[in-house]
Amino acid sequence: DAGVTQSPTHLIKTRGQQVTLRCSPISGHKSVSWYQQVLGQGPQFIFQYYEKEERGRGNFPDRFSARQFPNYSSELNVNALLLGDSALYLCASSLGGVLKANYGYTFGSGTRLTVV
Amino acid sequence: DAKTTQPNSMESNEEEPVHLPCNHSTISGTDYIHWYRQLPSQGPEYVIHGLTSNVNNRMASLAIAEDRKSSTLILHRATLRDAAVYYCIRGPVWGNTGKLIFGQGTTLQVKP
Repeated sequence: DAGVTQSPTHLIKTRGQQVTLRCSPISGHKSVSWYQQVLGQGPQFIFQYYEKEERGRGNFPDRFSARQFPNYSSELNVNALLLGDSALYLCASSLGGVLKANYGYTFGSGTRLTVV
Repeated sequence: DAKTTQPNSMESNEEEPVHLPCNHSTISGTDYIHWYRQLPSQGPEYVIHGLTSNVNNRMASLAIAEDRKSSTLILHRATLRDAAVYYCIRGPVWGNTGKLIFGQGTTLQVKP
């Protein structure tokens, strides 16, 4: 079974540019979350989407946005890139919903973004 | 605010048990305790979770203190592939608005 797929794996952008990161969840998973991991720190929550609606947002500026498509894949967009946006961006998928039995997040290997 | 406290790093010898501690003194009655680990160059990976009772699965055991203010992740026989950053997380985390609040984690080194 395919796991969570993220693309691209690496990219380099210049300050002020815009970037789009992509995530394909595990088949059947309806919830996708995005996390930012700066070197040496634990991941920080950015967004959660469930059934194509935003269900949670972390403490990130409006330059960060995301969306979820009918096939449950997701994109994370970051505008006006800053040097501090350099990080590993992780996507996690889960079945979603309120049932505890559906708990379990599966993470992708991430996209390494370098802003120069 | 991760609301859990873990040692920054620990060392273990291969094939010996490892006990990774976590303090969560302000945990609420409905918060579960979750452990994830992150191997080098990979995303975090679910290990185990529990509420009050000790829990076992194929990867590890979770021992939860009676007052629930601390817990210990137990790897029964460490292997080199267990070298990773281990994160202890508290919270409901499931549901449509669930999220994981990661702290710094414990970096586990396994020596051959």
